[in-house]
Amino acid sequence: DSGVTQTPKHLITATGQRVTLRCSPRSGDLSVYWYQQSLDQGLQFLIQYYNGEERAKGNILERFSAQQFPDLHSELNLSSLELGDSALYFCASSVESADLEQFFGPGTRLTVL
Amino acid sequence: LAKTTQPISMDSYEGQEVNITCSHNNIATNDYITWYQQFPSQGPRFIIQGYKTKVTNEVASLFIPADRKSSTLSLPRVSLSDTAVYYCLVRPGNTGKLIFGQGTTLQVKP
Repeated sequence: DSGVTQTPKHLITATGQRVTLRCSPRSGDLSVYWYQQSLDQGLQFLIQYYNGEERAKGNILERFSAQQFPDLHSELNLSSLELGDSALYFCASSVESADLEQFFGPGTRLTVL
Repeated sequence: LAKTTQPISMDSYEGQEVNITCSHNNIATNDYITWYQQFPSQGPRFIIQGYKTKVTNEVASLFIPADRKSSTLSLPRVSLSDTAVYYCLVRPGNTGKLIFGQGTTLQVKP
């Protein structure tokens, strides 16, 4: 158990819909990262927040957005969903903004039908 | 970011030592090397990190030659539960994002 929690574990929705994935980092961690893992693209970095502010951006689509709240939990919003958005979405956290050791949550499996 | 190359798959037997080598020819001066392990449908788990020479922890050892153009993850006496994908990552010490490659799928047989 990494100490990072993600909800929900599974999500099934239809194309065109919008969903929100939630992440609670380990106690004391200020940095939150979001990653997407799909069969064809592998594990991809999406975005990082540090203490409420966006710190780094990766291959995140414009239909996706994220934020980190004052209590440090984070949400990833996915809108206008497409079949290709079906994937495992992982949240990770670390104490500082450039830590090599990140603690990953169990993931949210999103299925778009 | 430096590109990494590692074998797609490896097989081993229980009790053997496993060495997975990763090449990163264009590693930069301020880049660090880190390895992660991932089991199916689980998030990656940090194994070890290093900058040069040798680093050892309770799980693995990491060997980095002087030119730093490659690194070798050594897993002593593997068991069936070590069957997983192992990722080698290289990135600057001042950035948080991890760029994962295809990884090496290690299959440990009884």
